[in-house]
Amino acid sequence: NSKVIQTPRYLVKGQGQKAKMRCIPEKGHPVVFWYQQNKNNEFKFLINFQNQEVLQQIDMTEKRFSAECPSNSPCSLEIQSSEAGDSALYLCASTGTGRTYAEQFFGPGTRLTVL
Amino acid sequence: GDSVTQTEGLVTLTKGLPVMLNCTYQTTYSPFLFWYVQHLNEAPKLLLKSSTDNKRTEHQGFYATLHKSSSSFHLQKSSVQLSDSALYFCALSVMSNYNVLYFGSGTKLTVEP
Repeated sequence: NSKVIQTPRYLVKGQGQKAKMRCIPEKGHPVVFWYQQNKNNEFKFLINFQNQEVLQQIDMTEKRFSAECPSNSPCSLEIQSSEAGDSALYLCASTGTGRTYAEQFFGPGTRLTVL
Repeated sequence: GDSVTQTEGLVTLTKGLPVMLNCTYQTTYSPFLFWYVQHLNEAPKLLLKSSTDNKRTEHQGFYATLHKSSSSFHLQKSSVQLSDSALYFCALSVMSNYNVLYFGSGTKLTVEP
């Protein structure tokens, strides 16, 4: 069973408000991913980190989304100015490095509702 | 680019019948394929994984074989149970892209009594 912890489980924000969610990866997993799962169950990769460094991020993330994985603190994903279209389940996943660690383990997600 | 295709959006079966959920992928790199299962309001959980051509992998009664010649990784089970009702996602990762997962559109499996 996955030991990725995500908080909060539910988040309700008004349009234009900041929305921040956190993730604690499995112990020993230096690689963290954030995905967005929309109401149609489609997954979209947002950003990933290895230790504290960004490996890759999509254009959307570069504009209103910010994320970090500081040393000895939870990783976080923040939406600076929430829009209705941001309503989704935000999933954090973690994994090790190298080919043998290709599988990712997901947390329960933060369900964001933007009113 | 890298992508995954799942052709069935909805599958409804009676308990005890066999099931096959289709998954094909596209990549020019060496692939790692996964099946994740997601029950309502839960996290996706890894069901199967494979990077070995023509080798069957099994877990919890489900099985799949990666066929690189046809770029397929179909999920099968010989006898579905009520508890198998869930969303099933096929996913692809390649090391050249930091192992980012490319998910298919998912198949909702409903098992009826």
